[in-house]
Amino acid sequence: DAGVIQSPRHEVTEMGQEVTLRCKPISGHNSLFWYRQTMMRGLELLIYFNNNVPIDDSGMPEDRFSAKMPNASFSTLKIQPSEPRDSAVYFCASRRPGHFYGYTFGSGTRLTVV
Amino acid sequence: ELKVEQNPLFLSMQEGKNYTIYCNYSTTSDRLYWYRQDPGKSLESLFVLLSNGAVKQEGRLMASLDTKARLSTLHITAAVHDLSATYFCAVGNTGNQFYFGTGTSLTVIP
Repeated sequence: DAGVIQSPRHEVTEMGQEVTLRCKPISGHNSLFWYRQTMMRGLELLIYFNNNVPIDDSGMPEDRFSAKMPNASFSTLKIQPSEPRDSAVYFCASRRPGHFYGYTFGSGTRLTVV
Repeated sequence: ELKVEQNPLFLSMQEGKNYTIYCNYSTTSDRLYWYRQDPGKSLESLFVLLSNGAVKQEGRLMASLDTKARLSTLHITAAVHDLSATYFCAVGNTGNQFYFGTGTSLTVIP
């Protein structure tokens, strides 16, 4: 089991550029979550999917953010255009079916927008 | 919306001492999770607590759950430097979503 795989690990981009973060959940996990972590705001849930369907995107900050899950093994979080205030660590987590299972987190993507 | 509060936010303790981190939540839940995050790293699962009175122990860490009081505690016994990290509690609602506390940043001083 390779765990939840995120790429890239680090991303530095200029303001205004498009950024795409990628996540491969654990095989057999049917829920996927995107979180953002900053010192000021802590852990924030951006969006989550169940069986590839977006369930709650109320945490997506604004229209510049979008997320997709075209199949059970891949998800993307896109920011277009990026702004310096988007600088954060973005975590993807997945969860297997069943009421009591916890999340498994990926190693995160550290995004810096300059 | 389910609210989760942790305290303290920051904890500096000497090696060998005992301390407790508290996690309070606002509405009924039947599952609570503790995670550890080392600086610059991801969150790692520590404990899963699924019933009132549940107690789990791993080394110098012991977690408990009181669903009636809506309170979980993470007790640290005889702290060592390796326990320095940020600890998060998370509470599950009726769906798939977890609500995370603000985290407790623990520093163990020699």
